[in-house]
Amino acid sequence: ILNVEQSPQSLHVQEGDSTNFTCSFPSSNFYALHWYRWETAKSPEALFVMTLNGDEKKKGRISATLNTKEGYSYLYIKGSQPEDSATYLCAFPNSGYSTLTFGKGTMLLVSP
Amino acid sequence: GAGVSQSPSNKVTEKGKDVELRCDPISGHTALYWYRQSLGQGLEFLIYFQGNSAPDKSGLPSDRFSAERTGGSVSTLTIQRTQQEDSAVYLCASSLGTGSNQPQHFGDGTRLSIL
Repeated sequence: ILNVEQSPQSLHVQEGDSTNFTCSFPSSNFYALHWYRWETAKSPEALFVMTLNGDEKKKGRISATLNTKEGYSYLYIKGSQPEDSATYLCAFPNSGYSTLTFGKGTMLLVSP
Repeated sequence: GAGVSQSPSNKVTEKGKDVELRCDPISGHTALYWYRQSLGQGLEFLIYFQGNSAPDKSGLPSDRFSAERTGGSVSTLTIQRTQQEDSAVYLCASSLGTGSNQPQHFGDGTRLSIL
């Protein structure tokens, strides 16, 4: 059973604050690391799939970094907006297959 | 284009009844997955279909759970003799192909409540 941990469990910030959260995963047998955003009453949406150590990906105000040797990834949100409120999930593929083991997520609430 | 479609969006049923959940993946996506999220838990893998290969059923929690995928497209997840612990949001996802670097596209889920 893979261990994918996310922290913090929840986060409450004010509009305009920048924030970040962490996903840790097994550092051996790395295949890829996925980030998803899950807004209430909507479907989870893929943000990034990261495959290379040192990789950094960006989508608007959201970016992510990857350290496969130490087994962690950071997700950053610059200048948080209320519409960024969601649960952010990271996921790690099982043994190279495309089935994923998900972390429990970080629930972000951005207040106006 | 159309995304992953799931039905029903909500289902309330009595303990002991059978339920059937449906997933219509994105056209052309060969891989299809079922997950569920129980209260306070992360998304839990249930079953995976890839093309015409035998499905990976390793995540199904008991033999009351089964799934099929007809014609390589629509999938149904069936839960027999439902129990209260089956209450969860059941999510279906599809991806263009196999491989750990393929992003998965999710439906809105079915919220199942067992009374």
